[in-house]
Amino acid sequence: GAVVSQHPSRVICKSGTSVKIECRSLDFQATTMFWYRQFPKQSLMLMATSNEGSKATYEQGVEKDKFLINHASLTLSTLTVASAHPEDSSFYICSALAGGGEYNEQFFGPGTRLTVL
Amino acid sequence: AQSVTQLGSHVSVSEGALVLLRCNYSSSVPPYLFWYVQYPNQGLQLLLKYTSAATLVKGINGFEAEFKKSETSFHLTKPSAHMSDAAEYFCAVSGSLYGNKLVFGAGTILRVKS
Repeated sequence: GAVVSQHPSRVICKSGTSVKIECRSLDFQATTMFWYRQFPKQSLMLMATSNEGSKATYEQGVEKDKFLINHASLTLSTLTVASAHPEDSSFYICSALAGGGEYNEQFFGPGTRLTVL
Repeated sequence: AQSVTQLGSHVSVSEGALVLLRCNYSSSVPPYLFWYVQYPNQGLQLLLKYTSAATLVKGINGFEAEFKKSETSFHLTKPSAHMSDAAEYFCAVSGSLYGNKLVFGAGTILRVKS
């Protein structure tokens, strides 16, 4: 099956630091990737849809200037948490849309645990 | 309005017993339906998917789910639970009504007792 990687898997940083998370589709090209956020004991919340070569589409309530998304190639999308604060601590998961997208099947990365001190 | 409802945030079964995780969707048009499993501190792994072909869908690890349009349900079952099945399970729906995005249920944590 299609493989999606994320880097780093875990990051601990001080408040005010910007953190970049990478999402890569390893064996397929993905024009569309998604970024989710998952708080402890909760479901996944879609943050934004990342489209290769164009601006990301953010869900309501997600700050564009806080969560910067770049999808510069067909295999890489990055999420930068700008000036992270403790409330940004969460599990961030990306996914990539594979194939023609007819069934909207997304393949998920292993997630990145962000802890802001 | 809730698009996907998973009944029971926690389900506990004995090893070897039937696993039944419930999922109901709200849509006037049959959507695409998915079940994912998540182990602690990991991403999501697709168990199975319904894409308007056979209503009984077989997935990995012995799981299967049946799409019942009349009940707007897509419950996940496994005849015999194994200790390694202990994880969190998410039902998700997608399709044109959802902007071709995945909408997840709240999740059900499955505990398997020895």
